[in-house]
Amino acid sequence: ETGVTQTPRHLVMGMTNKKSLKCEQHLGHNAMYWYKQSAKKPLELMFVYSLEERVENNSVPSRFSPECPNSSHLFLHLHTLQPEDSALYLCASSQDLEQREAFFGQGTRLTVV
Amino acid sequence: GQNIDQPTEMTATEGAIVQINCTYQTSGFNGLFWYQQHAGEAPTFLSYNVLDGLEEKGRFSSFLSRSKGYSYLLLKELQMKDSASYLCASMDSNYQLIWGAGTKLIIKP
Repeated sequence: ETGVTQTPRHLVMGMTNKKSLKCEQHLGHNAMYWYKQSAKKPLELMFVYSLEERVENNSVPSRFSPECPNSSHLFLHLHTLQPEDSALYLCASSQDLEQREAFFGQGTRLTVV
Repeated sequence: GQNIDQPTEMTATEGAIVQINCTYQTSGFNGLFWYQQHAGEAPTFLSYNVLDGLEEKGRFSSFLSRSKGYSYLLLKELQMKDSASYLCASMDSNYQLIWGAGTKLIIKP
């Protein structure tokens, strides 16, 4: 238990569906992150939020839409995804943007069919 | 460009010692991290080095040479539960983590 909880753990969706991934942290951290992890590839940073404001968007397609309603919750809204978007989506949090130690959730295994 | 290199896979024997190497090139440097990730689980923090030298933490040690852009993770007295992927990441001048693809460590009895 890392203090970062992601739901759902597994998700299968069609290319025309709309779904959302949820992340919640109980650590009192100020920064939250979405990462994409594909097999045998480095973690790809997608979005960074600090104190509920987006500070980083690494050229992520608009079919991925983040939302941070408060410092404890982070969502990733998905729509019209492609099969190549199938991956493990990891949420992480850290005390601040200097992230000396980041805490990760267990991820959502997403399959796009 | 920014780049992290580490071996894709390593095999070692229970009770032995293994060293996982990592070389990095980043725009600026604010530290080198190692994370452990068991299959199907979250990555968990192992170590952080920002100064040259060896940091020891129980059976695990991490070494950094800033001049060489090089780090290694040393695991002693290997146990079967150490079978996992080990992720190396360098923090650049913008405090962004640049990740390697991970080294899958297989421990054999």
